[in-house]
Amino acid sequence: DQQVKQNSPSLSVQEGRISILNCDYTNSMFDYFLWYKKYPAEGPTFLISISSIKDKNEDGRFTVFLNKSAKHLSLHIVPSQPGDSAVYFCAASEVLQGAQKLVFGQGTRLTINP
Amino acid sequence: EAGVTQFPSHSVIEKGQTVTLRCDPISGHDNLYWYRRVMGKEIKFLLHFVKESKQDESGMPNNRFLAERTGGTYSTLKVQPAELEDSGVYFCASSQDFGLSAYEQYFGPGTRLTVT
Repeated sequence: DQQVKQNSPSLSVQEGRISILNCDYTNSMFDYFLWYKKYPAEGPTFLISISSIKDKNEDGRFTVFLNKSAKHLSLHIVPSQPGDSAVYFCAASEVLQGAQKLVFGQGTRLTINP
Repeated sequence: EAGVTQFPSHSVIEKGQTVTLRCDPISGHDNLYWYRRVMGKEIKFLLHFVKESKQDESGMPNNRFLAERTGGTYSTLKVQPAELEDSGVYFCASSQDFGLSAYEQYFGPGTRLTVT
C-alpha cells in the first residue's frame, strides 16, 4: 500500500532547462511535504519543504508546488545544472501523538545532460 | 556543526550472526529516527525516539530488531539473528523539537548491511 508515489523512475533534462519532478499521495492526514536529494553512497539531503497550508514554496532555483485537492506535489528546478543529477525522493510527514514519521516515494533519478 | 554520523559504513555478516549499528545524531537534536532501504526500493520508517523514549516503533519488522538510545544521545540498532532479507541500507536521521520549521529530518550517510 504505497501512500506516496513517484511514478517516473527516471527523468532526463538538458542543462539550462526546467526539471519537473512529480509526486502523488493518498493520505489526507499528511501535513508537511519534503523533497530530498540523494547521491550514490550518501544519505538523503534535505532540499526543500512545504506545509500543507501553503501551495508554493520557493528557494533559489527550487520551487515546490502543492495541490491538495489533487493530492499532488511537484518540484521545479530551473535552470537545471549538471550537479543536480541525483535521485530525488518525495516524502510526506505524518505526526501522531508526538511521533513523526516520513513516508517516502520510490525516488526519481534525474539526469542533467550538458 | 557535525551532521548525523553512522558506524560502520558497511557490514557483511553471515545469516544467524548479530550486528549492531550505531548512530550519532546532530548535537541538541532530541528526535532520532531509523529508516531502511531494501533492494533499491523506497526508504521505510522503522522507529522514532524522543530523547531516550521510543515514541513510535511501528515500522520495526520483527523482534529480531532492537533499538536503544540510552541517555538520549547516540542510538544503536541491533539485528539478532540476522536473516538474508535484512540486507539493505539503514539510515539514521535526527531533528529538533517540533515547532516552526522543525519537521525537517537530517539524514546520516547510512550503513549498508549485507547478510550472506
